[in-house]
Amino acid sequence: GQQLNQSPQSMFIQEGEDVSMNCTSSSIFNTWLWYKQDPGEGPVLLIALYKAGELTSNGRLTAQFGITRKDSFLNISASIPSDVGIYFCAGNTDSNYQLIWGAGTKLIIKP
Amino acid sequence: NAGVTQTPKFQVLKTGQSMTLQCAQDMNHNSMYWYRQDPGMGLRLIYYSASEGTTDKGEVPNGYNVSRLNKREFSLRLESAAPSQTSVYFCASRRASGSGETQYFGPGTRLLVL
Repeated sequence: GQQLNQSPQSMFIQEGEDVSMNCTSSSIFNTWLWYKQDPGEGPVLLIALYKAGELTSNGRLTAQFGITRKDSFLNISASIPSDVGIYFCAGNTDSNYQLIWGAGTKLIIKP
Repeated sequence: NAGVTQTPKFQVLKTGQSMTLQCAQDMNHNSMYWYRQDPGMGLRLIYYSASEGTTDKGEVPNGYNVSRLNKREFSLRLESAAPSQTSVYFCASRRASGSGETQYFGPGTRLLVL
C-alpha cells in the first residue's frame, strides 16, 4: 500500500535557527499538504501544493512539491517560540478521497 | 462562519457504554472524515463520506459506525466502547476545486474509556 515517510521525527533547535523537514512517498502524489498541530488543537493547514515543482511561501514558511512528485519539504526560517508544535505532511493521488499522512515532526525550541 | 465544529470536547466512558460524537461544517463541503489520533502518532482514518448519502471505511473502522445525516453533519458512534478506543477524535471536511483539495479540521474530541 501507499506509504509516506516524514523526517525527522523530532527536532530540538535554538530560537532564530532555520528548520527543514521533508516527506517522501512510495507513490506519485497530486497534492501535498503541510499542517501544524498545537497541543490540544486540531491540525491547521499551513501550505497546499498542487503542481510538481511548485514552491509556495506563507510568511516564514516555504514548501515545495518535488519534481518527482514523490516528495515535499517544509522550511521555517528564523524560528520563534510559537513555531513549537507538530508538523504533518499529507498527500493524495487522484484515485480516492483519502489523504495519506506522515507521522509528524515534533519541533521543540531550546530555552 | 465557524468552520468545523465537534461536540463534545471531552468524554469519559466506561467499557461497554455507547456514545455518539457529533461533527458539523458550514463550508458547504461535500466530503467529511473521521480520524483518530493516538499519542505520538499521526492521523488514522476511521470512516469517510465522499458525499451526502454515502459512507466508506477507512484504515481503522472496526468498533465504529457513522451516519451522514445531511450535507452539514457527520456523526461517529461507538456502540460498545473499549479501552483501545481511548484517543483523540478529529472530524474534517474536504474542499475540492479545480486547483486541488484541502481538508479542514475540527478542534477534536478527547475520549477516555475506562
